[in-house]
Parts: sequence; structure tokens; C-alpha cells
Amino acid sequence: GAVVSQHPSRVICKSGTSVKIECRSLDFQATTMFWYRQFPKKSLMLMATSNEGSKATYEQGVEKDKFLINHASLTLSTLTVTSAHPEDSSFYICSAAVLAGAYEQYFGPGTRLTVT
Amino acid sequence: QKEVEQDPGPLSVPEGAIVSLNCTYSNSAFQYFMWYRQYSRKGPELLMYTYSSGNKEDGRFTAQVDKSSKYISLFIRDSQPSDSATYLCAMSENLRGKLIFGQGTELSVKP
Repeated sequence: GAVVSQHPSRVICKSGTSVKIECRSLDFQATTMFWYRQFPKKSLMLMATSNEGSKATYEQGVEKDKFLINHASLTLSTLTVTSAHPEDSSFYICSAAVLAGAYEQYFGPGTRLTVT
Repeated sequence: QKEVEQDPGPLSVPEGAIVSLNCTYSNSAFQYFMWYRQYSRKGPELLMYTYSSGNKEDGRFTAQVDKSSKYISLFIRDSQPSDSATYLCAMSENLRGKLIFGQGTELSVKP
């Protein structure tokens, strides 16, 4: 149980275009989803926290107009990187929280974004 | 100073060795401590979860938390090549608080 998927697993796009990444909780409902960014050999950096039906809460330094997050249902959250630039190239990982007493985050497999 | 410090390694050990992985932290409000394992190009998976100080054992894995020293450890006994991965510590202040991750330690277990 507690499986989180991400799509696509890998994407290459041209500078200036927008890319959408989907995060789905497959066998549970996730009121809260999180989006992280991870650089090679670096820690996961939380970008934003997303609650179903409400606006995402962005961490300091993360541009909300550049990284659009939508959490339309209890099983789906999307991250759209708008007007992508090469410096946006990174590994993006989502996680979903299971609300059942003990708090745990289950992570998706990640999406490798390369902007050329 | 980073909130959570973790030696990135890489750490290379022979099969069967005992592995010790550690993190230090500066925020005394952290109450929940986790260890995640991340294989290359994959998302992290939760290994161990500990509340406050003390030890927790699960098979070959033991997690220790020393809040007085702001120091947490993960021990892996009888290490196997399949344990080769990056191990990330993470911690939070409360059940619904955001997770603060360490940099991750890259572990290689040689057959």
C-alpha cells in the first residue's frame, strides 16, 4: 500500500516552454502533498506544500508564478514549471501524506527535468 | 549553519560490515526523526521512524536518537550489497511539520 506515482519519469524540454508533472497517490487519499527539488548529491529541498482544494504554501525563495501547483483532488497534484530555463533542470519529487495517526510521507519516484 | 548536517560520504564497506550513519542538528524543537533510503534516480523510501530520544530496531537496522547531543544514528548490521544507496536523515518539529532533510550519505557495500 501507500504507493505514489509520478509522470513523466523523465522529460526534456526547450527553454521558454512549460512542463507539467503529475503526482498521484494510487491506493490512498492524500489531503496533503509536497513538492521537493533535489540537485545531484544534495538534500531534498521542500518547494511547496499542497492541500486539496486550497492554494499551495510555498517555501521562501520559491517563485509561485514559476512553479504552479494544483491539487484538484485527493489523489492528484500537479506541478507546472512555466517558462522553463536551464537552471530549472533538476530532479523533482513529490510526496503524499497519509493522515492516519502517525504522520508519514510517501515519496514518488521522481521526475528528471532537463531544460535545453 | 545548516539545520541538519550529514556527511555526504561516499562510504564504502565490505559485505557483512556494520555501518554507522549519522546526522547532527541544531533545532532543539525537532521531535520526529526519520531515515530514508534512496536508490539512484528513485524517490526516497522510509526506513525508520523515531519519536524523541531512544532506540528503535527493525531487523538489521537500528535507529538511535540522542536529543541531548542533537545527534541521530542509523546502524546497519550484516550489510549487504543491496543496501548500497543514499541514506537521508530527516526530522520535523511535529506530526504535520515539514521535513528537514540532511544531505544524504552515499553508501556502497562491496561483495
